[in-house]
Amino acid sequence: QSVLTQPPSVSAAPGQKVTISCSGSSSNIGNNYVSWYQQLPGAAPKLLIFENNKRPSGIPDRFSGSKSGTSATLGITGLQTGDEADYYCGTWDSRMSEVFGGGTKLTVL
Amino acid sequence: QVHLVESGGGVVQPGRSLRLSCAASGFTFSNYGMHWVRQAPGKGLDWVAIIWYDGSDKYYADSVKGRFTISRDSSKNTLYLQMNSLRAEDTAVYYCAREESGQQLDYWGQGTLVTVSS
Repeated sequence: QSVLTQPPSVSAAPGQKVTISCSGSSSNIGNNYVSWYQQLPGAAPKLLIFENNKRPSGIPDRFSGSKSGTSATLGITGLQTGDEADYYCGTWDSRMSEVFGGGTKLTVL
Repeated sequence: QVHLVESGGGVVQPGRSLRLSCAASGFTFSNYGMHWVRQAPGKGLDWVAIIWYDGSDKYYADSVKGRFTISRDSSKNTLYLQMNSLRAEDTAVYYCAREESGQQLDYWGQGTLVTVSS
């Protein structure tokens, strides 16, 4: 069981918007930055969002992140079939470990 | 251009040892903390260990504490994971990843598969 809680799956039609939630506690999300990672089938994870809401160079602004208290949210607008992937939230925990959510599988119908 | 390339994976019997390597290039290796993260077949990401930029501190997941050792050689720009007393549940793709200042893992290797089986 993962320290951070994500929904196992979400789905939406092409062009629509989807959000993925990530719930933690004061020992992790509540006191640290949240990152989001995208893992396409058969590939390594890739950084999508860092420091709660910043995008690395090359990540389109269709991807956004937010954080409130002990929860974080990833938003994806203008869904494309190429966005089908597993998405993970991650953060540092005060128990001196990196923690991840269990992952959310995005299906673009 | 940042590159991380893992090697050393393979099939190993339970109870045996294996050492993974992660060759880093395209950045000043000694300036960054480094992580090992693994992913069992069909499962999610599972953090394994971190080593500070200068090797002064190391932390481990409870599941590997006392069995795995993370280390680094800045003269060779290489990160290591020594894995002892391997168990079937250690079977996974092992990724090395670089940590940036905001604690994000901004670059990941392609992974190396470790299979623990008799």
